[in-house]
Amino acid sequence: KAGVTQTPRYLIKTRGQQVTLSCSPISGHRSVSWYQQTPGQGLQFLFEYFSETQRNKGNFPGRFSGRQFSNSRSEMNVSTLELGDSALYLCASSSRGADTQYFGPGTRLTVL
Amino acid sequence: AQSVAQPEDQVNVAEGNPLTVKCTYSVSGNPYLFWYVQYPNRGLQFLLKYITGDNLVKGSYGFEAEFNKSQTSFHLKKPSALVSDSALYFCAVRASYNNNDMRFGAGTRLTVKP
Repeated sequence: KAGVTQTPRYLIKTRGQQVTLSCSPISGHRSVSWYQQTPGQGLQFLFEYFSETQRNKGNFPGRFSGRQFSNSRSEMNVSTLELGDSALYLCASSSRGADTQYFGPGTRLTVL
Repeated sequence: AQSVAQPEDQVNVAEGNPLTVKCTYSVSGNPYLFWYVQYPNRGLQFLLKYITGDNLVKGSYGFEAEFNKSQTSFHLKKPSALVSDSALYFCAVRASYNNNDMRFGAGTRLTVKP
C-alpha cells in the first residue's frame, strides 16, 4: 500500500496570510491526526479527525482548523500566519482510531 | 494528562555495541507506548508499540523495548548498533486505546560511530 502523502512538501508564506495543507491517508485508514514539530516545542498534537468528525483537539488557537472529507483525505488550515507558525506539519493515519499511527513526510512551512 | 520524558538529548555508541535509549512515562490508567524514529527531512517511522502482554516488545530493524510498570519506563534497545541507526528517536504515549492524542518526548539523537 502507498503510505501517507502530504502536499505540498515545502511552503513559504508571509505573516498575515493563510495556508492550507493536504494529507491523504493510507488506503482504508479512517483516522487522520495532525502534529506540529518545532525545535523549541517538539512534537505537539493539533487535532484528529475520524469519519469526517473532529474527535480530539490539542491546545492550539482557533487559527488552526481542519476538516476531513468522505474519502478520508484531510486538510489543515492556518489563518493569519505568525512567524511562530513556521514548523514541520506532520499528518498521521490509522486504520481505526485506536491503531498505530503512520506518518507522512510532512509539510515544511516557513513564515516570513 | 499523559506525558513522556526522554532524559538524554544525545546518545553516542560505537558500531557493534548495544544501545539503549531511555524513556519514562506518566499516565493515569494503562499506558499505550510507542517508539518512532525520524531521519533528516523525513516523517516519523513506527518502530514498535506496547499495548498489553509481554513486557519485552520486538519491533522493526532489530529494535526492542522493555516495558517496566514499576519504574514507569519503556527503554528502547538494540543488541548491536549500526551506523545507519543514527537518527532522532521519539517515545510517545497515549492515555487510552481510543484516543489518538499522542504525547511525544523531546527526542533523543542517537549517533553510532564506525
